[in-house]
Amino acid sequence: AQSVTQLDSQVPVFEEAPVELRCNYSSSVSVYLFWYVQYPNQGLQLLLKYLSGSTLVKGINGFEAEFNKSQTSFHLRKPSVHISDTAEYFCAVSGRFSGGYNKLIFGAGTRLAVHP
Amino acid sequence: GAVVSQHPSRVICKSGTSVKIECRSLDFQATTMFWYRQFPKQSLMLMATSNEGSKATYEQGVEKDKFLINHASLTLSTLTVTSAHPEDSSFYICSARGQMGTGETQYFGPGTRLLVL
Repeated sequence: AQSVTQLDSQVPVFEEAPVELRCNYSSSVSVYLFWYVQYPNQGLQLLLKYLSGSTLVKGINGFEAEFNKSQTSFHLRKPSVHISDTAEYFCAVSGRFSGGYNKLIFGAGTRLAVHP
Repeated sequence: GAVVSQHPSRVICKSGTSVKIECRSLDFQATTMFWYRQFPKQSLMLMATSNEGSKATYEQGVEKDKFLINHASLTLSTLTVTSAHPEDSSFYICSARGQMGTGETQYFGPGTRLLVL
């Protein structure tokens, strides 16, 4: 079974400052990792994903994340945030199984609040 | 690409009535669709997983007779909340996964806000 821990429920930051949203996971098998963003009253939008290959993954809106297998982490970063980045961010993991349903397991979410 | 739509976006109904929510993959074939429920300021809770043409697999604690899921085609899944009650009020989100070369990625719909009076 997999589990995901997002260490910060809320992250306040000033506009144009850098930000890191932390995500740790546990799994007995190899995993796929995802970050999604949710704006108020909307569904989830995929920011980026790690399936294999390079551990540094670049996504949309200037976000990137690094897969660290030894630390079982997949932290999300952005060097300079905008007001429009204010949203809820979810880290998710699914196990690498051939076939089957490969359920996505979500973290509790981190509320990023960007202030002017 | 990879667009998922949901209809309706918002629905208000009386207690005891049934409500149907549609989830469509617009530009890909969704071999698997998922239904989630989200309470305010909380994460997503997986309700059920469905593959086209077969019965849905429900998560523990989810009443399959109350939340009927049909995945009749590769682009459409429906969730019917039967005999809805106020405690069923929630934000319901579907997602779809298909054979696009990114088989492990789920794409999410915009969600449906259900309010049962």
